[in-house]
Amino acid sequence: DAMVIQNPRYQVTQFGKPVTLSCSQTLNHNVMYWYQQKSSQAPKLLFHYYDKDFNNEADTPDNFQSRRPNTSFCFLDIRSPGLGDAAMYLCATSRTSGSFYEQFFGPGTRLTVL
Amino acid sequence: AQSVSQHNHHVILSEAASLELGCNYSYGGTVNLFWYVQYPGQHLQLLLKYFSGDPLVKGIKGFEAEFIKSKFSFNLRKPSVQWSDTAEYFCAVNAMDSSYKLIFGSGTRLLVRP
Repeated sequence: DAMVIQNPRYQVTQFGKPVTLSCSQTLNHNVMYWYQQKSSQAPKLLFHYYDKDFNNEADTPDNFQSRRPNTSFCFLDIRSPGLGDAAMYLCATSRTSGSFYEQFFGPGTRLTVL
Repeated sequence: AQSVSQHNHHVILSEAASLELGCNYSYGGTVNLFWYVQYPGQHLQLLLKYFSGDPLVKGIKGFEAEFIKSKFSFNLRKPSVQWSDTAEYFCAVNAMDSSYKLIFGSGTRLLVRP
């Protein structure tokens, strides 16, 4: 089945220790998104890639960066995680032709910062 | 700025009760509308979507939603809930004229008592 895969599902890191979360997709969608979701809150868009073009949300801290080496993969790098960065990180994909922008979500990576 | 409001943050129902969750958005142009569900420990899944045509849309698991353009609303309904419907429900809107991104509401946590 076509899907969005996130690894790892659970990540524990130490305060200030860089961490990378990964996302891959078999849907061949041209847009990939990273969201941060804290408990009982809506997903908050951090940034997205439209093809190779990176689009940062205005309020996303510089501590968060992303890479998309090819269509299938996208990475979220947190350079110096703080306690406030503990959250669920969701990857999503969509295509911008014919699909009316429905997004498909991965299972998420739950990040714990000690 | 565009926004999505879900007025019910927590809803508790008994099995077989009817459900209606409110969703209102602020955008005067053409929209695509979505309801996503997040079961405990699982990823966001699409329940239903509205793009055009019949304003009453049917989704999975017996859910339906009605788009009322004059009220900027897209309320989710189910005639008879089950314990397995316990989950968090998110309304999301895509403002077609301006972006392919989704704007999420803050979510409604539904607890169905057996």
